[in-house]
Amino acid sequence: AQSVTQLDSQVPVFEEAPVELRCNYSSSVSVYLFWYVQYPNQGLQLLLKYLSGSTLVKSINGFEAEFNKSQTSFHLRKPSVHISDTAEYFCAVSSFLIQGAQKLVFGQGTRLTINP
Amino acid sequence: DVKVTQSSRYLVKRTGEKVFLECVQDMDHENMFWYRQDPGLGLRLIYFSYDVKMKEKGDIPEGYSVSREKKERFSLILESASTNQTSMYLCASSFVSAGTWGTEAFFGQGTRLTVV
Repeated sequence: AQSVTQLDSQVPVFEEAPVELRCNYSSSVSVYLFWYVQYPNQGLQLLLKYLSGSTLVKSINGFEAEFNKSQTSFHLRKPSVHISDTAEYFCAVSSFLIQGAQKLVFGQGTRLTINP
Repeated sequence: DVKVTQSSRYLVKRTGEKVFLECVQDMDHENMFWYRQDPGLGLRLIYFSYDVKMKEKGDIPEGYSVSREKKERFSLILESASTNQTSMYLCASSFVSAGTWGTEAFFGQGTRLTVV
């Protein structure tokens, strides 16, 4: 069975500091990996995804994540955070079920709080 | 833009009632999902469907059932609502593109269900 573990439930950082949100997964088959963001009182939005190809993927607002198959990890990083990055971040893994079907499972979420 | 619409934003039901949560997507997506979101627990997969009349149990299916009679509509049914089913319910859909078994999920705005 597949599962996702986000190792930190809350991460407080100062503005302009770097941040890493950790995500580990378990699956016996090939996976796709995603990071979603949920701003206060809003729905979930896709931040970035890994389907294939380069193991380093980037978002338009400066976040990046690296797929590490040997460590079964997909950590999210940003070199310098802004107040507007305050949100909850969810890691998700999709595994193949049968042709045309995917099972998409999420982690517990990490609440990122940026302090001025 | 992909639109996933959940029929209600807020719902209050009594213990023992049969509750229907409706979700419609307008992009001909093959996969549809129902999650519940609780603080500290992230998103937990209840059921998912990869085709009309096809359904698979997620990680917490007990107390729930689903129906997918048409490709665009995926209903979540609480057979006999209980107070521990008070939660935010999120519907999502995803498509299968060439060479993949699925892609990122697009989410509705959620239904906050309170069972009293």
